[in-house]
Amino acid sequence: QKEVEQNSGPLSVPEGAIASLNCTYSDRGSQSFFWYRQYSGKSPELIMSIYSNGDKEDGRFTAQLNKASQYVSLLIRDSQPSDSATYLCAVTRPTGYSTLTFGKGTMLLVSP
Amino acid sequence: DTAVSQTPKYLVTQMGNDKSIKCEQNLGHDTMYWYKQDSKKFLKIMFSYNNKELIINETVPNRFSPKSPDKAHLNLHINSLELGDSAVYFCASSQAGANVLTFGAGSRLTVL
Repeated sequence: QKEVEQNSGPLSVPEGAIASLNCTYSDRGSQSFFWYRQYSGKSPELIMSIYSNGDKEDGRFTAQLNKASQYVSLLIRDSQPSDSATYLCAVTRPTGYSTLTFGKGTMLLVSP
Repeated sequence: DTAVSQTPKYLVTQMGNDKSIKCEQNLGHDTMYWYKQDSKKFLKIMFSYNNKELIINETVPNRFSPKSPDKAHLNLHINSLELGDSAVYFCASSQAGANVLTFGAGSRLTVL
């Protein structure tokens, strides 16, 4: 079983719609969860972090965490063409020195 | 002022050659990382140093040798390059114990 799984997409949504990106992880001991955005040819940049069950909102972005289901999601409201990118879910390892394990990412395409 | 800078941005080389990538961060972070992103966009941890000490060494061929002369610098030397080494290599840094990574722009290595 892969550690962090994401649908590779592409996920296509029209401008102004809500984009919903999903991620599941295998290790129940994982403590911290992150969403990074990566534009084509660029480096990943952090957009959201979440550490406890529930929702966390930051502008147009909402991260949702359900540790019982081992599920993390990212909602993007009022999607813009500039949101078109690959979204990487990252999870910390629960053992040893903490570091991030990334999913393969979901490509989001927002059409005008 | 670039927070995490990597050089060179592009390397094109022949199989069997040796190459190095340099990384420097001016954020005052204690922990630095090397990640490899393959053609399928999978971002995988290779090494991590905390204050010049190697703390994470994933299953990476010993042709790859990281070196950290001080906590602001982490270099990667690769011996006897193979076709499968072609990828984008990202340097990143974070505060010790934190998992919020700041990535460099990446170094695209092409082995012919």
